[in-house]
Amino acid sequence: DGGITQSPKYLFRKEGQNVTLSCEQNLNHDAMYWYRQDPGQGLRLIYYSQIVNDFQKGDIAEGYSVSREKKESFPLTVTSAQKNPTAFYLCASSMGDYTGELFFGEGSRLTVL
Amino acid sequence: AQKVTQAQTEISVVEKEDVTLDCVYETRDTTYYLFWYKQPPSGELVFLIRRNSFDEQNEISGRYSWNFQKSTSSFNFTITASQVVDSAVYFCALSDTIKAAGNKLTFGGGTRVLVKP
Repeated sequence: DGGITQSPKYLFRKEGQNVTLSCEQNLNHDAMYWYRQDPGQGLRLIYYSQIVNDFQKGDIAEGYSVSREKKESFPLTVTSAQKNPTAFYLCASSMGDYTGELFFGEGSRLTVL
Repeated sequence: AQKVTQAQTEISVVEKEDVTLDCVYETRDTTYYLFWYKQPPSGELVFLIRRNSFDEQNEISGRYSWNFQKSTSSFNFTITASQVVDSAVYFCALSDTIKAAGNKLTFGGGTRVLVKP
């Protein structure tokens, strides 16, 4: 079935460690996105990519990094510079047109110990 | 700057009751899109509806209906005869993709709906 796969579903990290969250899509979508979800704050955009080898910062990019070497993959690295990384992270993709319909993965919950 | 406000953080109803979720938005754009997404306990957001700023007709899809009022910058969502399966967090979102590339959505804080049997 077509969709977006995020892994791992749950991740624990010690302070000072970098972690990478995986996001893979087989929908042949051009655009991919990373959102962060905190209780009561909705979703906030971290990074997005409209095409391979290109990506743009969202509203809260500090402490995060991404790459887009393949159309189907958009991994997110949460670096030690991110001051409050404990959150629920959602990856999404879209056709890249202006319809705004995003397709989401089931998310990755990161907890920093 | 764009902003979406969902003033209700949580709504609890008994099955078969109707529930209305409020959404108020702010934008300087004359052309924009509004959305509702549902987030069930599994975590992924599911697209429910998209409405562009030029189409103020209300829409009904089964038990779901949407009321878009540009004059009050509101895009409210009603679930009629609620069911336990409607229990989820619902997000309203706004997009300015008409002038900027990329589907960058601004989300509201979400409203958690709990439908009790």
